[in-house]
Amino acid sequence: DIQMTQSPSSLSASVGDRVTITCRASQGIRNDLAWLQQKPGKAPKTLIYGASSLESGVPLKFSGSGSGTDFALTITSLQPEDSATYYCQQYSTYPHTFGGGTKVEIK
Amino acid sequence: EVQLVQSGAEVKKPGESLTISCQGSGYIFTTYWITWVRQKPGKGLEWMGRIDPSDSYINYSPSFQGHVTISVDKSISTAYLQWSSLKTSDTAMYYCARHFAAMPPRDWGQGTLVTVSS
Repeated sequence: DIQMTQSPSSLSASVGDRVTITCRASQGIRNDLAWLQQKPGKAPKTLIYGASSLESGVPLKFSGSGSGTDFALTITSLQPEDSATYYCQQYSTYPHTFGGGTKVEIK
Repeated sequence: EVQLVQSGAEVKKPGESLTISCQGSGYIFTTYWITWVRQKPGKGLEWMGRIDPSDSYINYSPSFQGHVTISVDKSISTAYLQWSSLKTSDTAMYYCARHFAAMPPRDWGQGTLVTVSS
């Protein structure tokens, strides 16, 4: 299985900050990488696919980058509603593994 | 409006069997694959497997193969996740999601909480 390693596992930032979460794949996955957001008690929501393409309706404050093994999710102008756990997922090779998650809290 | 509606919460005993469901509406069911994802309490997401409703072709995660069965009934636009003998370690929230082939999940069900306890 391809291992997906996210960092940090948690972060705390202030309203208006820019935050970056990274995700590393144990082998190359081209750009077959998605980012998901999950709020407490809710189903996940897919934000980004293809490493950098925004799903319909997702605000432009979210952006993704990377290819191969190293990827990043950046959130600009952090707001209270962005408080959530963020996961990366590779869909290059079965099984389509997830990263361990990054919990984003607002100070 | 596209919807994936999952069956309600279940409480079962170890060794019992269980089938949970995920019904799609608002789209042509056979044009999107269905993936199942597990989330244990307080933990992360785990990919279990996916099915193509048009031909019932399935890929399972090795971690789940042999312990669960994924199936569909395309006549009623419904996918299923089935256990023949539950364990306490199966206690989790289970999500279904739809997606195009070779793409990540696009839309998610609301989740089904399965509790297995003696």
